[in-house]
Amino acid sequence: AQSVAQPEDQVNVAEGNPLTVKCTYSVSGNPYLFWYVQYPNRGLQFLLKYITGDNLVKGSYGFEAEFNKSQTSFHLKKPSALVSDSALYFCAVRDLNTGGFKTIFGAGTRLFVKA
Amino acid sequence: DTGVSQDPRHKITKRGQNVTFRCDPISEHNRLYWYRQTLGQGPEFLTYFQNEAQLEKSRLLSDRFSAERPKGSFSTLEIQRTEQGDSAMYLCASSLARDRAYEQYFGPGTRLTVT
Repeated sequence: AQSVAQPEDQVNVAEGNPLTVKCTYSVSGNPYLFWYVQYPNRGLQFLLKYITGDNLVKGSYGFEAEFNKSQTSFHLKKPSALVSDSALYFCAVRDLNTGGFKTIFGAGTRLFVKA
Repeated sequence: DTGVSQDPRHKITKRGQNVTFRCDPISEHNRLYWYRQTLGQGPEFLTYFQNEAQLEKSRLLSDRFSAERPKGSFSTLEIQRTEQGDSAMYLCASSLARDRAYEQYFGPGTRLTVT
């Protein structure tokens, strides 16, 4: 069965420092991986996706994510955090090999960036 | 505004009543999804439409839940005989079907409170 795990409920980082939000996945076939962000009182917004190709994918707002097949991970990263990055981040996976259209989301990681 | 819209934004109802939510996707998007999100959790997939056809339903979608997309444009989600456990944020998302890898665009959600 498909699953996504975000092992950290919360990540705290100081402004200007690099940040990492962790995600591991489990699918039976080739994964399509996504990161979404949810700001207070706003809908989820797409950040980036991994389909195939380069293991490092770049997305919106300076975020990037590294796909690691051997570790089944897709960690979200940013070289220099901003206070405005404080939000709830969701990792998601879709297994196209199953032929379905279901996207499985993790439980989310709340990021706090302190000035 | 050309984003995904949902109506109403908030709904308070008494247990046992029926409720209906509406989602208007981005106009050129032929894929539409419904999710449910409870506090501290990521969105849980409920159902998926491609045009007017409902192609996948989660086992979370009990017999009390029904969704329609009659003309392949807007969609409705109805919950009959609401229960307190139905209290959640109901999210709608849409996407294009240009390729198999797609990002979903989410609406602001409808927050349901069952008293």
